[in-house]
Amino acid sequence: AQSVAQPEDQVNVAEGNPLTVKCTYSVSGNPYLFWYVQYPNRGLQFLLKYITGDNLVKGSYGFEAEFNKSQTSFHLKKPSALVSDSALYFCAVRGMHTGGFKTIFGAGTRLFVKA
Amino acid sequence: EAQVTQNPRYLITVTGKKLTVTCSQNMNHEYMSWYRQDPGLGLRQIYYSMNVEVTDKGDVPEGYKVSRKEKRNFPLILESPCPNQTSLYFCASSPTSGGRQETQYFGPGTRLLVL
Repeated sequence: AQSVAQPEDQVNVAEGNPLTVKCTYSVSGNPYLFWYVQYPNRGLQFLLKYITGDNLVKGSYGFEAEFNKSQTSFHLKKPSALVSDSALYFCAVRGMHTGGFKTIFGAGTRLFVKA
Repeated sequence: EAQVTQNPRYLITVTGKKLTVTCSQNMNHEYMSWYRQDPGLGLRQIYYSMNVEVTDKGDVPEGYKVSRKEKRNFPLILESPCPNQTSLYFCASSPTSGGRQETQYFGPGTRLLVL
């Protein structure tokens, strides 16, 4: 069965420091992996995705993520955090499902960036 | 402007009173999906549609119905709402289901309270 785990409910970082939001997954076959961000009272916005190719994926707002097949991880990173990065972050995996494609989201990690 | 719209944005109803939440996208996307977001559980997929007249169950389909008669619209129907369907609902669309173009675009959300 497909699953996504975001082991941290909350991540706190100081502005200017690097940040990492963790994600591990379990899926049969080759996964499609995604990160989305949700700002207060808004819908989710796409940040980046891994489909195939280079393991390091660059996305919006200076975020990047590294696909690690052996560790089944897809951690979200940013070299220098901004206060405006404070939001709820979701990792998602799309794998094959009988008759179609199903997307599984993690529970979300709330990022607080302190000035 | 390319967007996914949902209506209503907020709804308070009573147990057993049928309701429909509409979703419309203007991007000619093939794939559409409904999610519910609950604290600590992330987003869970209710139903999805890979194209007109093609729908399939997600992880939590019980108590919901959908239809896809036109490419742009994907309404979510609660025939007999119950309090455990109180949640924040998101509609999403994607150019395709699987492939490099896959990126989900989310609507602003519908907050539903069932008394």
